Amino acid sequence: QKEVEQNSGPLSVPEGAIASLNCTYSDRGSQSFFWYRQYSGKSPELIMFIYSNGDKEDGRFTAQLNKASQYVSLLIRDSQPSDSATYLCAVMGSSGSARQLTFGSGTQLTVLP
Amino acid sequence: DTGVSQDPRHKITKRGQNVTFRCDPISEHNRLYWYRQTLGQGPEFLTYFQNEAQLEKSRLLSDRFSAERPKGSFSTLEIQRTEQGDSAMYLCASSLMGSTDTQYFGPGTRLTVL
Repeated sequence: QKEVEQNSGPLSVPEGAIASLNCTYSDRGSQSFFWYRQYSGKSPELIMFIYSNGDKEDGRFTAQLNKASQYVSLLIRDSQPSDSATYLCAVMGSSGSARQLTFGSGTQLTVLP
Repeated sequence: DTGVSQDPRHKITKRGQNVTFRCDPISEHNRLYWYRQTLGQGPEFLTYFQNEAQLEKSRLLSDRFSAERPKGSFSTLEIQRTEQGDSAMYLCASSLMGSTDTQYFGPGTRLTVL
């Protein structure tokens, strides 16, 4: 059973602070990891992906991957009210044809002005 | 470069009716995926195509659901004899086969079964 777990939140941070979002996964063979942002009533929007251990930075966003601990995180620096959304962690399967994503239930983030 | 498009955006139907949704992927993408999302949950995988071949189908998917991608371009998802439990957002995504297979989502079709 493939599982992806996220803290459901809600997580509230003040504007300008760092928001930290966490995700754990159960399939040790998983190879690719994705973070999506989803505004209420809208579809998921890709923020970034990571597949190597360590950190990957893209603007205000940093994804961190630790395969030994089966842990992925997303840091949002200088959080803005427009970052208020649900953040979905997604994991791609490990077997050859398993290209589908398994999603967590999302963490709801609120950035307070 | 246009993104993934889906039609219709909203569908209201009565229980027992059949419905069909369409997805047009990003033009150069050869992989296409269908997901379903209910309130408060992440998207749940339904099925995926590589070109016109349906390579994977969720074991949770009822046989009332069928999907096609006849020419390897657009895809349709049909639900027969709809039930109230089918009410959800149906999301289509596409990707270009490669090292990361990054999936980009369309706007979704919201289905309400009365």
